[in-house]
Amino acid sequence: GAGVSQSPRYKVAKRGQDVALRCDPISGHVSLFWYQQALGQGPEFLTYFQNEAQLDKSGLPSDRFFAERPEGSVSTLKIQRTQQEDSAVYLCASSTLPGGGSSGANVLTFGAGSRLTVL
Amino acid sequence: AQTVTQSQPEMSVQEAETVTLSCTYDTSESDYYLFWYKQPPSRQMILVIRQEAYKQQNATENRFSVNFQKAAKSFSLKISDSQLGDAAMYFCAYRSAFYGGATNKLIFGTGTLLAVQP
Repeated sequence: GAGVSQSPRYKVAKRGQDVALRCDPISGHVSLFWYQQALGQGPEFLTYFQNEAQLDKSGLPSDRFFAERPEGSVSTLKIQRTQQEDSAVYLCASSTLPGGGSSGANVLTFGAGSRLTVL
Repeated sequence: AQTVTQSQPEMSVQEAETVTLSCTYDTSESDYYLFWYKQPPSRQMILVIRQEAYKQQNATENRFSVNFQKAAKSFSLKISDSQLGDAAMYFCAYRSAFYGGATNKLIFGTGTLLAVQP
């Protein structure tokens, strides 16, 4: 596609429910990042994929958070037993190059995010 | 660990005027990249401008320019001839250039909300 597509745009969950957020990156993009943006804050890194490999998950806040990218394209962020503090916008971003390296061309393209509200 | 600080939660500018958004950062690395992103109400982050730390010349993109002071660890964004469409949240971000690991994740500041008055 022309851009990074995320779904759903809005999700309301009751506390304790499981949710799944989808990211469809730009075709052929190697790198895929997930970020969490709480209200009034800047995005914070959650996890990184290079193709299908999850190379960095140091930002996942708890073991309730799980991400996958099984075929190196579409990625899903799953949150189990949601809590109110999970309420945030979840942003996905992709780029053509691997995450490392000094190439200035490695610019991220962001999706419009999924806004999760946990009641 | 690297940090990015934006001390101006909100700014306002008259249409056609110039405004400067401040950003400071802390790092022990010598090679890195700095970015300004714009986030309109649609929530999609849009890259405004980027600067490589090893370049002394300040980056410029049309009406947007930066004042990069490496020794002071300061990276401000100047918007000239402000337009109504410039109204948005602006985030300053840092990324390491070190290829020592798998990730060069972006580290964001808390943002500055820019209002443009007609």
